[in-house]
Amino acid sequence: DADVTQTPRNRITKTGKRIMLECSQTKGHDRMYWYRQDPGLGLRLIYYSFDVKDINKGEISDGYSVSRQAQAKFSLSLESAIPNQTALYFCATSDLGTSSMETQYFGPGTRLLVL
Amino acid sequence: QKEVEQNSGPLSVPEGAIASLNCTYSDRGSQSFFWYRQYSGKSPELIMSIYSNGDKEDGRFTAQLNKASQYVSLLIRDSQPSDSATYLCAVTSGGSYIPTFGRGTSLIVHP
Repeated sequence: DADVTQTPRNRITKTGKRIMLECSQTKGHDRMYWYRQDPGLGLRLIYYSFDVKDINKGEISDGYSVSRQAQAKFSLSLESAIPNQTALYFCATSDLGTSSMETQYFGPGTRLLVL
Repeated sequence: QKEVEQNSGPLSVPEGAIASLNCTYSDRGSQSFFWYRQYSGKSPELIMSIYSNGDKEDGRFTAQLNKASQYVSLLIRDSQPSDSATYLCAVTSGGSYIPTFGRGTSLIVHP
């Protein structure tokens, strides 16, 4: 079974709709991240969380919000989706308590299309 | 702002050749350096990490780090068509251990 899962894997929505992307992990990692990837722009950090009570904005947080419901769950919400939020979204985890503490483990991604 | 620069490519090499991928970074205090491979439509996966100057070898892959010149490179020996992918360079600095990713270099290995 996958260690980091994302739901849904694909989503089409309309401008103005609220949507939620969910991420779950069974790796036992404290740190979780949300990235978006656009062609030619690489991975850009939206939000990150170091534990359940710690939420931080990343490089491009405007228009997004997150919730860390538990150590294993980190959700990303688009309160009012707009077309330029069309992208591939990745959740990732990392574990500060190991020798490979900075390695990021990515979920399979959610492909979002906002019409 | 911390920047990580990569040539977007595509870099095209024949099967069996050495592929050389390069990355430069702006923050002189950067501490850790990573190469991720991403197949089309898939998620990135770590292939190499390097923390000190010099070379680090793992199978057909060699990472090279030069902190004085602020660059890190990835060499792939005996390139195979299955190596065709986008390679992302990532760099961390400071105490947060959050990586900054480059935009990636597309590698095409042709038979």
